[in-house]
Amino acid sequence: AQSVTQLDSHVSVSEGTPVLLRCNYSSSYSPSLFWYVQHPNKGLQLLLKYTSAATLVKGINGFEAEFKKSETSFHLTKPSAHMSDAAEYFCVVSGWPYNNNDMRFGAGTRLTVKP
Amino acid sequence: GAGVSQSPSNKVTEKGKDVELRCDPISGHTALYWYRQSLGQGLEFLIYFQGNSAPDKSGLPSDRFSAERTGGSVSTLTIQRTQQEDSAVYLCASSLGGTGVSYEQYFGPGTRLTVT
Repeated sequence: AQSVTQLDSHVSVSEGTPVLLRCNYSSSYSPSLFWYVQHPNKGLQLLLKYTSAATLVKGINGFEAEFKKSETSFHLTKPSAHMSDAAEYFCVVSGWPYNNNDMRFGAGTRLTVKP
Repeated sequence: GAGVSQSPSNKVTEKGKDVELRCDPISGHTALYWYRQSLGQGLEFLIYFQGNSAPDKSGLPSDRFSAERTGGSVSTLTIQRTQQEDSAVYLCASSLGGTGVSYEQYFGPGTRLTVT
């Protein structure tokens, strides 16, 4: 079975500085990986996904993530944080190809952006 | 187009009562998921429906929880004899499903359940 670990429960950055949210996965095969964002009192929204194409994936709002098989990581980055980035971020691994829709969520990382 | 909708948006119930939560997925989506999100916690998988296949119920926390999906569309999550620890936001998501690649999930706004 696959699983995902988000290494930080809370990350705080200043506006305009880089963002790094860390995610490690465990899987016996090449997984599909996703990042979702949840703004306060709003639904979850897909930021980006990796499905065995390019290892560097670009998403919405300037976010990107790099799949590193050797490190079993899929960290989320953004060069310059904006106040509107403050939210909860979830890393997700899927069970494809054995169980296509078995999606497992990490515990989440709360991003705080200071002015 | 219309997204995933859930009703009610908020539900307050007394301990011991039964509740039903409804999810309307995006038209054409064959996969449907239920998750539970407790305060300050991540998402806990509850149950997954894919087309006409038997649902994956491996995440249901107890036999008080059940779900059905009628006609491959609308789904209802039922919690019997509610307990205070059932208080949480219940999220529904749908996706295209199928085989080949993992499809992104589209989430509803959730139902906030409070058991008093």
